Amino acid sequence: SQTIHQWPATLVQPVGSPLSLECTVEGTSNPNLYWYRQAAGRGLQLLFYSVGIGQISSEVPQNLSASRPQDRQFILSSKKLLLSDSGFYLCAWSAQGSGNTIYFGEGSWLTVV
Amino acid sequence: RKEVEQDPGPFNVPEGATVAFNCTYSNSASQSFFWYRQDCRKEPKLLMSVYSSGNEDGRFTAQLNRASQYISLLIRDSKLSDSATYLCVVIINYQLIWGAGTKLIIKP
Repeated sequence: SQTIHQWPATLVQPVGSPLSLECTVEGTSNPNLYWYRQAAGRGLQLLFYSVGIGQISSEVPQNLSASRPQDRQFILSSKKLLLSDSGFYLCAWSAQGSGNTIYFGEGSWLTVV
Repeated sequence: RKEVEQDPGPFNVPEGATVAFNCTYSNSASQSFFWYRQDCRKEPKLLMSVYSSGNEDGRFTAQLNRASQYISLLIRDSKLSDSATYLCVVIINYQLIWGAGTKLIIKP
């Protein structure tokens, strides 16, 4: 069966510090991969999605970046965090093609102080 | 108008009651529909897909009304453990459009 994991689960970072969140998927090949952010009491905001290695699409201009160095690995990064980057970050995957169910990782709570 | 809209609630419902809420979408070309459940400070988890003919899974029934462009979720005999936020998602041409969620609180 397929599984998705992301880490770390929680982190507190000072403003201006770098960020790296990692996500891996097991049990499937060539998945679509996503990074979402969910601010407190808000809906899901798509940040990045990827349909293959090295293929990243950005949905929202920001100081975040994403990379997909391997087929089932997706990394969210920032060189300098802002206070507004605080939130709940969710990695997700779906099978290739349209209309497929999306599955989420456990999420990472980021607090920028 | 938002592409996908949900009443944010909260819906406060006594245990054992039936509750229903809708999710409206603006694009008639929408192709696939899902309901997710999200517990506080947790990731969303798939509750059920929504099929054109409607579908039922235990106490949960999902329906699609293409003419009026909405999907619905009905929960019968509600349990305390049903308390959560329910998110709908609409897929249009590989794009997932999420509702902001409806918060449901089941009270004893």
